[in-house]
Amino acid sequence: GAVVSQHPSWVICKSGTSVKIECRSLDFQATTMFWYRQFPKQSLMLMATSNEGSKATYEQGVEKDKFLINHASLTLSTLTVTSAHPEDSSFYICSARDLWGLNTEAFFGQGTRLTVV
Amino acid sequence: DQQVKQNSPSLSVQEGRISILNCDYTNSMFDYFLWYKKYPAEGPTFLISISSIKDKNEDGRFTVFLNKSAKHLSLHIVPSQPGDSAVYFCAASAQGGSEKLVFGKGTKLTVNP
Repeated sequence: GAVVSQHPSWVICKSGTSVKIECRSLDFQATTMFWYRQFPKQSLMLMATSNEGSKATYEQGVEKDKFLINHASLTLSTLTVTSAHPEDSSFYICSARDLWGLNTEAFFGQGTRLTVV
Repeated sequence: DQQVKQNSPSLSVQEGRISILNCDYTNSMFDYFLWYKKYPAEGPTFLISISSIKDKNEDGRFTVFLNKSAKHLSLHIVPSQPGDSAVYFCAASAQGGSEKLVFGKGTKLTVNP
C-alpha cells in the first residue's frame, strides 16, 4: 500500500519551546492530509484537515495558533506545536489521502510521541 | 455525540477461532467505512473498507459486513492468529469517502495461542 512517513517518531522538549512534526507521502500525491491526536485509551481525535495550498480547517476546540499546520506541497505537511506545555504531551498521527485516485482510504504515518517536560 | 461506536472495548478469542468486531454508526450520511489495526505506539494500518453500495467485502482472512438498515458493520477475522492481537478501529466517512474520517474508540483484540 501507499507509504506515509512521519518524522520524528518521538521527541522530548522543554515547556515553552516549539516542535515541528513532518508528514510525507512517499509514493502518491496527498491532496488532503489530516492530523490526529490520540490520548491513552482513547480514539483518534481529528485536529485539523489541510488541503494542499490552502489554510487548514481546524476542528472545534483546537487552537489554530497553537497547532500550526502547513501543507505547502502535495507530498509534505507539517504540524508545529508552539509554546508546548506538558498537557500537549500526546501521540500525534498524520494521515494522507489521494482524493484524485481510485481508493479513498487514508494511509497513516507511524505517529510521533511528544513529551513536554 | 459519538457518531461511530464500538461498544466492546476488548475481545479475547482463541487462536484459530473467529473474531467478530462490531461497529455501529448514527450518521445516515456515512457511505464509506474502513477498519484499521493499530499496535501500541504506531500509526493505524488500513485493513479493509466497504462502500455502502455493497454489503460484504472480503480480503483474505478479513471480511467486513455492512447492514445499512441497522447502521451496523462488523469485521470478521477467520482464522484468528496471535499476530492479529491489536486495537481495531472502525471509521466512517461521507461523500463516498472524501469527507473526514470519524473513528470509533477501538476494540482491543487479544488472540490467545
